[in-house]
Amino acid sequence: GAGVSQTPSNKVTEKGKYVELRCDPISGHTALYWYRQSLGQGPEFLIYFQGTGAADDSGLPNDRFFAVRPEGSVSTLKIQRTERGDSAVYLCASSLGLAGAAGELFFGEGSRLTVL
Amino acid sequence: TQLLEQSPQFLSIQEGENLTVYCNSSSVFSSLQWYRQEPGEGPVLLVTVVTGGEVKKLKRLTFQFGDARKDSSLHITAAQTGDTGLYLCAGAGAGTASKLTFGTGTRLQVTL
Repeated sequence: GAGVSQTPSNKVTEKGKYVELRCDPISGHTALYWYRQSLGQGPEFLIYFQGTGAADDSGLPNDRFFAVRPEGSVSTLKIQRTERGDSAVYLCASSLGLAGAAGELFFGEGSRLTVL
Repeated sequence: TQLLEQSPQFLSIQEGENLTVYCNSSSVFSSLQWYRQEPGEGPVLLVTVVTGGEVKKLKRLTFQFGDARKDSSLHITAAQTGDTGLYLCAGAGAGTASKLTFGTGTRLQVTL
């Protein structure tokens, strides 16, 4: 497809389980972002990749969260030992370059994670 | 930490009314963007402003970047039901252009 694709669209899991969320960015976009959004709030920055490397991971809340982008395209956000407070919509976005003046972020529809 | 506060948090108006949404911060931004998000979808870019004092118009929407590049406003003239959604401002810091920080959001509901 032409847009950013995220899977699964919905994930329900139990507290303590491991979860993987996948993002397939727009072809040719070198920058990839992960955000987390709670109901009615603005997206909260988690991590940003430029190519294969994590250029800024300052938004990851703790060491249970980890993200990879091994070939500079698809990215996976991994959450270990999930907690109820991890429940949110996880948004992925890609862009041609840097955020802000350099370009526009194109978002996927998000993966809604519910931890019971 | 760069914090972007939006006001109001929620706005319910009738079609044809005008409204203004504010985005304020104590930090200076190299640029600021406005996005609109509908339920079940990701945010979609409306505009990017870069220069202090800059005004951009997009049909019935007018965006302004503050002179000091710390704040912005979005004005909608003659709102329509199709304007309903969550409006988000997002700023890129001068030293952290790769990290787009989003505001707290303004939920707009326009009714007939």
